[in-house]
Formats: sequence, structure tokens, C-alpha cells
Amino acid sequence: DSGVTQTPKHLITATGQRVTLRCSPRSGDLSVYWYQQSLDQGLQFLIQYYNGEERAKGNILERFSAQQFPDLHSELNLSSLELGDSALYFCASSLNAIAHEQFFGPGTRLTVL
Amino acid sequence: GENVEQHPSTLSVQEGDSAVIKCTYSDSASNYFPWYKQELGKGPQLIIDIRSNVGEKKDQRIAVTLNKTAKHFSLHITETQPEDSAVYFCAAPSSNTGKLIFGQGTTLQVKP
Repeated sequence: DSGVTQTPKHLITATGQRVTLRCSPRSGDLSVYWYQQSLDQGLQFLIQYYNGEERAKGNILERFSAQQFPDLHSELNLSSLELGDSALYFCASSLNAIAHEQFFGPGTRLTVL
Repeated sequence: GENVEQHPSTLSVQEGDSAVIKCTYSDSASNYFPWYKQELGKGPQLIIDIRSNVGEKKDQRIAVTLNKTAKHFSLHITETQPEDSAVYFCAAPSSNTGKLIFGQGTTLQVKP
């Protein structure tokens, strides 16, 4: 158990809908990262937050957004969902903004029908 | 741009044999190289990492070697066991950020 929690574990929804994925980092970690894992793309970095502020951005679609709250949990919002958004979404946390030891949560499996 | 190449994509070994997975990276400023193990239905688990000021690090049956000149690093698993069967990912950080660039993954199968 990494200490990172994610909810929900599974999410099934329809095209055009909007969903919110939630992540709680390990106790003491200030940085949260979101990654997308699909069969043909591997693990792709989406976005990083550090102590409530956006720190780094990857190839995150404009339809996707995230935030980190004062209690350091984070939410990833996915809107106008398409079939191709079906994937595993992982959250990871680390101690600070450039601490490279990242610990991953169990993931949320999103299925868009 | 930043890139991490991982080989092989699949690896099948007999129980007790050794397994080696290799990665190359493009960003010469990278100074930290983790390896993750992902079992079916679970998130990636950090199993070992190495920083650029050392050439080798060992933890029981697993070891990682780093060649900064050639920009490649390898994972070595000795005396493999069926529970080592999983997908293994290497990664390297993007310059000045915490963002990790992952290799494409290696599916390791250890046959009993």
C-alpha cells in the first residue's frame, strides 16, 4: 500500500458526460501528479500540482482540468468525454516539487461508452 | 524532445534465471532513474531507483546499473520467481520538474 488513495476505483459513463476523479496524497507529501495509462500510449504525464499551485503540465487536453485543494487532495475533471478517453488514470504523490520519488495510487479505470 | 526507450517489450524466462531490462534516455540533465513494477489491476510500485552519482545499486535480488556517458540504465533481476511476473517501467525526470517520462514497459513472464 503506497498511502495514496484514489476514488472511485471504476467509472462507467457515456460520451459527452463529465466526471471527477479524486486523489489523496501520502501523508506529508505536497506534490500531486496525474498520469493517464492507455494500452497504446503507456503512462503519460498529465499535470502536476505542488502545494495548491499548478507546477507542470503535460499533454493534457483542454477538456481536462485539475486542482489541488488546501487539504492537498486533488481532483481531475474530465468533460465532454470521448470513447478515446477510456483509460486508467493514476495519481502519484511526492514530498516536494522536484522530489523524484513518486508513489502511485491504485488508479481509476474510466470506461466511456 | 525528452524520450525514454525501453527494451525488450516482452521477456519470458524460466524460474531461477536472470532477467535484464534496458532503458536509454535523451535528457543529459536527468539525474534520477526509478524502476516501477505494475501488477495486473494495480498501480505502479516503486521497486528501486538510482541517482546519477552512483553507478550501481542493489536490493536483494534486484539491481540497477547506470551509465551516464552512454545515457542508459538497466534493471537486473536474479533468481527470478513466478511472483516477479509483471510489467516493469523505467523512467527519467524532465529537467527541473517532478514530471517523469516513462518507458514503454516490459512484460516479464517467469515460467515455473
